[in-house]
Amino acid sequence: DAGVIQSPRHEVTEMGQEVTLRCKPISGHNSLFWYRQTMMRGLELLIYFNNNVPIDDSGMPEDRFSAKMPNASFSTLKIQPSEPRDSAVYFCASSLAYYTDTQYFGPGTRLTVL
Amino acid sequence: KNEVEQSPQNLTAQEGEFITINCSYSVGISALHWLQQHPGGGIVSLFMLSSGKKKHGRLIATINIQEKHSSLHITASHPRDSAVYICAVMDRIQGAQKLVFGQGTRLTINP
Repeated sequence: DAGVIQSPRHEVTEMGQEVTLRCKPISGHNSLFWYRQTMMRGLELLIYFNNNVPIDDSGMPEDRFSAKMPNASFSTLKIQPSEPRDSAVYFCASSLAYYTDTQYFGPGTRLTVL
Repeated sequence: KNEVEQSPQNLTAQEGEFITINCSYSVGISALHWLQQHPGGGIVSLFMLSSGKKKHGRLIATINIQEKHSSLHITASHPRDSAVYICAVMDRIQGAQKLVFGQGTRLTINP
C-alpha cells in the first residue's frame, strides 16, 4: 500500500482565495483525521471521521473551514476564504479503528497564505 | 497549565546514551500515543498505550495510569533518532474524546 496520500504537497495562495486540501487514506482504514501544525500551537486535531461520518469537528477553527468525506477513499479540507493565519502544515492520518489503533500519517500539505 | 506536558523540551546527547522523554497529563485518558516527527516533517506513530509497557526495537514506552505519566526510552541512541517526539492523549472526559498533544521534545543525538 502507498500509505496515506495527500495533495498538494505545497500550496501558496493569496488571502481570500479558496483552498482545497485532499487526502486518500489507506485502503481498509475506517477512521480519518485532519490535523494542523504551526510553530505557535503545535499539532492540533481539526476533525475526524469514522466510517465517513464526521464524529467531532470541535477543533475546526471557524466557519471558514469545512471537511468532507464523500466515500471511504477520499476526504477534503476546504478553507474559504483563506487568511494568512491559516498558514500551517496540514496532516491527514488514517487508522483501522478510531483512536484504539495506530494512526498512519500522510506527508502533509504545507499551506502558505500571503 | 497545559493538559499534556512533556519534558525536557530539548535534549542533546551523545550517540549510545540512554534517552528518556517524559509525558505528564492532567486529564483522564483512554489511550496515549507517542509520535516521532523527522526533521523533514514526516510523522510516524511509534506506540499507542493504554496500560503497561510496549517495546519496539530500541524504543520502549511505559505508562502509569495512576500517576498520569508516560515515558519513552531509547536505548543505544543513534544520530538517526534525532527528531521531535510528541506525546498525545485521548481525553475521555470530554464528550467527543479529543486527542490532545504535548508540545514535543526535540532530541538531537550527536555522533
